Amino acid sequence: QVQLQESGPGLVKPSETLSLTCTVSGGSISSGSYYWGWVRQRPGEGLEWIGNIHYNGNTFYNPSVKSRLTMSVDASKNQFSLRLTSVTAADTAVYYCARRGMIVTVRGAFDIWGQGTMVTVSS
Amino acid sequence: SYELTQPLSVSVALGQTARINCEGNNIGTKDVHWYQQKPGQAPVLVIYGNTNRPSGIPERFSASNSGNTATLTISRAQVGDEADYSCQVWDDSTMVFGGGAKLTVL
Repeated sequence: QVQLQESGPGLVKPSETLSLTCTVSGGSISSGSYYWGWVRQRPGEGLEWIGNIHYNGNTFYNPSVKSRLTMSVDASKNQFSLRLTSVTAADTAVYYCARRGMIVTVRGAFDIWGQGTMVTVSS
Repeated sequence: SYELTQPLSVSVALGQTARINCEGNNIGTKDVHWYQQKPGQAPVLVIYGNTNRPSGIPERFSASNSGNTATLTISRAQVGDEADYSCQVWDDSTMVFGGGAKLTVL
């Protein structure tokens, strides 16, 4: 059974870079059938999609963060990562990693989610 | 950019039927997915591809999608169904979520 686990610092200073990693267990990130994504949720707000990445490096980014965002995959570690530069208080949120399931099975929905990690941007 | 609009809150009496709408321009032409999120927990997929339930999701959960409105229906509502419900679509290479609707079971 595939599981996802986010890791990274819980506190980041304004103007610095937020870096998070999602470790995939119970399955291979290199299977080729899936995209892997990040979703965040600001306190008291709804879900916001950040971006998706395939293990071959193909990416889709939310235009609202595209200029500050880099996603990457480390297949040797079965991990994918998010890097968000020049953060502000508006980037304070719970960050979730998730698997975008296959079109033929779940029509591309996010079918598996990590538990989420809280990131606060503050000096 | 594409927008999805959901009511902030929906209330339903215990054992009755709850309906949660998700409005978007021609949403009926898109695949709509629904997620349930309980406080302090990660979202859980409850409906994918407009009408399909993942394994483990009760038959009480159903959905439809036509025109400019997609609807999640929860029959025989239980206290355990209290949660935020968010719709989601893919539009022009962008994934879009609705703002989420909080379901209260009275």
